Amino acid sequence: GAVVSQHPSWVICKSGTSVKIECRSLDFQATTMFWYRQFPKQSLMLMATSNEGSKATYEQGVEKDKFLINHASLTLSTLTVTSAHPEDSSFYICSARDKSFQPQHFGDGTRLSIL
Amino acid sequence: AQTVTQSQPEMSVQEAETVTLSCTYDTSESNYYLFWYKQPPSRQMILVIRQEAYKQQNATENRFSVNFQKAAKSFSLKISDSQLGDTAMYFCAFMKGGNTPLVFGKGTRLSVIA
Repeated sequence: GAVVSQHPSWVICKSGTSVKIECRSLDFQATTMFWYRQFPKQSLMLMATSNEGSKATYEQGVEKDKFLINHASLTLSTLTVTSAHPEDSSFYICSARDKSFQPQHFGDGTRLSIL
Repeated sequence: AQTVTQSQPEMSVQEAETVTLSCTYDTSESNYYLFWYKQPPSRQMILVIRQEAYKQQNATENRFSVNFQKAAKSFSLKISDSQLGDTAMYFCAFMKGGNTPLVFGKGTRLSVIA
């Protein structure tokens, strides 16, 4: 089946640093990737949608300058949390879909902890 | 905008018994897709079952089946012969046709008890 690899799975860093999370589709071309944020015991909240070669579309309330999304190729999208602060600590999950619009395939998520 | 409601925050079931998780949604679309995802403690998102709105027949995947009532906008998940490994958060999700994102409900935490 389709595989989406997300890296790193867990990162701890100091407040003020920037953190990059990668999302790769390993065996299909991901024309669209989605980034979600999940707080403990809550549902997934869509942050942004990115189409290959285009600027990401952010959901209302998500800071574009804080969460930089790049989708430069059909197999890789990155989320960079800039100048991270403790309130950015969360679980971030990516998902990818090919042009057939089949169900999204999810990465295993990244636990981000900002000290 | 579409909304998905899961009215049961937590449920429990005895091993080998059957349990039904509820989900309702609101949409003005005529063509759409519905999903149930399982998220175990590992936090992986695992697709359990999907249903296309244009299909009247309820989807079934082994021990998992749905009761899709389009007019009532209801999409419940039935788990038969519950197993300890079914313990997880279950999310109901909606997707319009085309290249649109999933809209998730708040989830139901299911505990299977030995």
